Amino acid sequence: ELKVEQNPLFLSMQEGKNYTIYCNYSTTSDRLYWYRQDPGKSLESLFVLLSNGAVKQEGRLMASLDTKARLSTLHITAAVHDLSATYFCAVPLPLRNQFYFGTGTSLTVIP
Amino acid sequence: GAVVSQHPSWVICKSGTSVKIECRSLDFQATTMFWYRQFPKQSLMLMATSNEGSKATYEQGVEKDKFLINHASLTLSTLTVTSAHPEDSSFYICSAVLAGVLHEQYFGPGTRLTVT
Repeated sequence: ELKVEQNPLFLSMQEGKNYTIYCNYSTTSDRLYWYRQDPGKSLESLFVLLSNGAVKQEGRLMASLDTKARLSTLHITAAVHDLSATYFCAVPLPLRNQFYFGTGTSLTVIP
Repeated sequence: GAVVSQHPSWVICKSGTSVKIECRSLDFQATTMFWYRQFPKQSLMLMATSNEGSKATYEQGVEKDKFLINHASLTLSTLTVTSAHPEDSSFYICSAVLAGVLHEQYFGPGTRLTVT
């Protein structure tokens, strides 16, 4: 069974600070996805990481993937209130389309 | 492009009744669609894989007789919650996979089901 764990589950941080969310998964996969979810809403795609060593950045968010360590990180730089949301990583089963989602990280950015 | 819609966006029904949720890929064909369930403050749990023209594949622990899935065309999958109970109240999200493209998955806006 594929397990996808995120750390931390809850994160409260002040505006302007930096922090990293971690996503560990238990099986071989060469890609990983990050999503954002606002309350009552569906998923918004943030990043698609398609290979070992992939790094992508969009605004104050940067994601990376280490397939050997089965680890992805989502780094937040100089947080702002608008980043408050729940963030999920998702890992697809190899050669199949099923995605398994991480436990989620609920981020609250405090002014 | 690659838009997925769900209908209804929210529904309230009484215990014992059935409710149908539609998932449509609006501008692409999807041979495979997925149905997820999300309880408050929890992650998305894959319920079933819906394949056009064939029976759905259910994840372990999901009652196939309770959650009926029909994927009658390349753009439409439906999830029917039969004999709904309050514990079925949840946020149901579908996703559609672009035909022929592995892992290219697009998510619908979700349906909030409340069973009273």
